[in-house]
Amino acid sequence: GENVEQHPSTLSVQEGDSAVIKCTYSDSASNYFPWYKQELGKRPQLIIDIRSNVGEKKDQRIAVTLNKTAKHFSLHITETQPEDSAVYFCAANYGGSQGNLIFGKGTKLSVKP
Amino acid sequence: DVKVTQSSRYLVKRTGEKVFLECVQDMDHENMFWYRQDPGLGLRLIYFSYDVKMKEKGDIPEGYSVSREKKERFSLILESASTNQTSMYLCATLGEVEQYFGPGTRLTVT
Repeated sequence: GENVEQHPSTLSVQEGDSAVIKCTYSDSASNYFPWYKQELGKRPQLIIDIRSNVGEKKDQRIAVTLNKTAKHFSLHITETQPEDSAVYFCAANYGGSQGNLIFGKGTKLSVKP
Repeated sequence: DVKVTQSSRYLVKRTGEKVFLECVQDMDHENMFWYRQDPGLGLRLIYFSYDVKMKEKGDIPEGYSVSREKKERFSLILESASTNQTSMYLCATLGEVEQYFGPGTRLTVT
């Protein structure tokens, strides 16, 4: 079946450093790649997404890059802050349907003050 | 604001019991989803529904069934709960682009 691999599973950085989380996907038809942030005890929430017709998207300190040829996409957080500490999930749609998502297993990001 | 609610935040049931988890949304979204979330495994899709009375199996449907009698309500049913169904269950709806999640139900089966 279709699959999304996410690395690393845990990431610890100092406040102010950058953090990068990488994902690969298997479905060539995937064209929508969202990233969700889940703080402890809360529901996942969309923080940024990218479609296959662009290679990069940026929103303040967060950016996502996509390499369709290699089937991988990455989340970049710059100038990390303690409130960035959370579990981050990447996802890719499959079967040509935007709504059907396969999620990565998550990355627990810890930002140390 | 999209609102997705789930009937319980915490639930404790015994092995063999029938369990109902309810999800209600107020945005008239057609697509609704049930996931379970386990440490190290991420979010795995159990079932989804794209319309009233329509349902599709996700990646891990075994041991579960669903019901969608009304557009706003999507129920997950554990016919005979087992200890390996102890997990966090998340409901979600699909807007134009984004999936909106409910707060989750932490189910413990003893």
